[in-house]
Amino acid sequence: GQNIDQPTEMTATEGAIVQINCTYQTSGFNGLFWYQQHAGEAPTFLSYNVLDGLEEKGRFSSFLSRSKGYSYLLLKELQMKDSASYLCAVMDSNYQLIWGAGTKLIIKP
Amino acid sequence: DAGITQSPRHKVTETGTPVTLRCHQTENHRYMYWYRQDPGHGLRLIHYSYGVKDTDKGEVSDGYSVSRSKTEDFLLTLESATSSQTSVYFCAISEKREGHEQYFGPGTRLTVT
Repeated sequence: GQNIDQPTEMTATEGAIVQINCTYQTSGFNGLFWYQQHAGEAPTFLSYNVLDGLEEKGRFSSFLSRSKGYSYLLLKELQMKDSASYLCAVMDSNYQLIWGAGTKLIIKP
Repeated sequence: DAGITQSPRHKVTETGTPVTLRCHQTENHRYMYWYRQDPGHGLRLIHYSYGVKDTDKGEVSDGYSVSRSKTEDFLLTLESATSSQTSVYFCAISEKREGHEQYFGPGTRLTVT
């Protein structure tokens, strides 16, 4: 079956750096997406990786290793507004997104 | 922000009643999706559409039907609602199928009593 694994919850301190990991086993691979979802709101797109390596976008970076079935999202200079759930999703061979259950990130002052 | 709305935003209904949720977009995107989101689960695809009158089933399509008679509207119908269909339903749109992010509507919270 297809499976996306990410930690259920993480806690970090304001101003610090946090890395959220995602491992996947899917039928085919057509890219990996990270989304942010604040409580009670819709997911919003953060990043897309289809080739191995690091993609940087401001305070957020995303890394992909296709051979290891692994990605991480790196958040720097954490702010209180970064408290949210972070969703990892892989596009499979049928071009459908398979979603992880999300990582709830709690930022403490 | 992508122009995508959902209606109603909240609904409480009784078991056995039909329910229709509406998704409306102003972006003229070809692809539209219906997901449900439940605690402890990732978003799960119910149905999707790749054009007017062109739809296909997703992972959890049993008990749901969809219709797309216009580019901008994608309707999700629960023929006879059950308590297991209590969930938050999200509509999403994308311009292309691969390499493009999906944009999400605000969601509909449905409670079946």
